[in-house]
Amino acid sequence: DIVMTQSPDSLAVSLGERATINCKSSQSVLYNSNNKNYLAWYQQKPGQPPKLLIYWASTRESGVPDRFSGSGSGTDFTLTISSLQAEDVAVYYCQQYYNSPPPAFGGGTKVEIK
Amino acid sequence: EVQLVESGGGLVQPGGSLKLSCAASGFTFSSHRMNWVRQAPGKGLEWVANIKQDGSDKYYVDSVKGRFTISRDNAKNEVCLQMNSLRAEDTALYYCARGLGVHGYVFDIWGQGTMVTVSS
Repeated sequence: DIVMTQSPDSLAVSLGERATINCKSSQSVLYNSNNKNYLAWYQQKPGQPPKLLIYWASTRESGVPDRFSGSGSGTDFTLTISSLQAEDVAVYYCQQYYNSPPPAFGGGTKVEIK
Repeated sequence: EVQLVESGGGLVQPGGSLKLSCAASGFTFSSHRMNWVRQAPGKGLEWVANIKQDGSDKYYVDSVKGRFTISRDNAKNEVCLQMNSLRAEDTALYYCARGLGVHGYVFDIWGQGTMVTVSS
């Protein structure tokens, strides 16, 4: 099974500053036949279910603000919040769906305001 | 409004059984794979089970194989999770989640969850 590792476990960023979260998979999640990375990102605010932000590593879900962006390929991925807002305080999870089942989540990264 | 509403959680003794239900509305239920994903208190997310649109294929995480059964009723827009031989480590908030795409392992709609506590 593919193992997803996120870093850091937590980070504190000032309002308006950039937040960067890293995600590494134990094997490539790039499917060569369609050149797609089977990688999604979710946001979970306190007391709420997760919300899908990004899939195919960089495709934003409908309604997600463009300050959220995903990048990377193969085994290394990044979620960037370009200008942190107060409502972005949450735990963020990456998830691979290349080798599914089982789909696997990273351990999560907690984003707070500095 | 697209919505998933879970029910059926509660306190159960180790070795006991519980059946969770998830009522879907606002979308064509029979067009989507459906999933259960759980979250132990203060922990991360763990996928549990997936069922194909017509119910013909079902998949489970290894830790629940032989104990949990996912099912669906497309006429009622409902997906269920029958949980038997429950263990303390099954204690979690159980989410119903809609699958996006062919294999349904991107979860684009989530319910609010139903809590399962396994304890004597």
